[in-house]
Amino acid sequence: QVQLQESGPGLVKPSQTLSLTCTVSGGSISIGSYYWSWIRQPAGKGLEWIGRIDTSGSTNYNPSLKSRVTISVDTSKNQFSLKLSSVTAADTAVYYCARGLYINYVPYVAPAYWGQGTLVTVSS
Amino acid sequence: EIVLTQSPGTLSLSPGERATLSCRASQRVSSSYLAWYQQKPGQAPRLLIYGASSRATGIPDRFSGSGSGTDFTLTISRLEPEDFAVYYCQQYRSSPFTFGGGTKVEIK
Repeated sequence: QVQLQESGPGLVKPSQTLSLTCTVSGGSISIGSYYWSWIRQPAGKGLEWIGRIDTSGSTNYNPSLKSRVTISVDTSKNQFSLKLSSVTAADTAVYYCARGLYINYVPYVAPAYWGQGTLVTVSS
Repeated sequence: EIVLTQSPGTLSLSPGERATLSCRASQRVSSSYLAWYQQKPGQAPRLLIYGASSRATGIPDRFSGSGSGTDFTLTISRLEPEDFAVYYCQQYRSSPFTFGGGTKVEIK
């Protein structure tokens, strides 16, 4: 059973870069054709898809964040990462990493496995 | 961008009752790339339904999904105490892969 765990600073100053890592266990991130996503959720609000990366390193970002987002994968560490630059208070949220569905040998973006989430607060 | 509108915002029901949740898309969601998630306070969302009507692994059969095109429904046939939560739909056919605003199912 694949498990995901987010890690990173819980407090980031405005205008700085938010950096989070998702460590995957229970399977190799480089085996298979999966989509690995980041999703966030401000307190008391809904879910926002940030972007995804696949095993080959191909990325797809939400246009609303595209200019500030970078998602990368480190297969040697079985991790993938999120960087969000020039953060403001509006970026304060719980950030989730997730692995997409894999049905009949076809990968889908829809998150089937989620990390527990990590709260990132943007404040000086 | 496909906008998903969920209704109602809140559903107040008693255990044992039937819950019907709606998710309407601003554009056709091709090939029924529509998923439903359940989220309880302090927890990550859990995948319930994918492909509009297929239950994810381990999901009880009291949860069912239906619909196509722009109109989708999640039905919980008989509410159990653990089903009171917030439910989200998501389309995963067209980037950005948007979520609906959620429906809270609360105990009446």
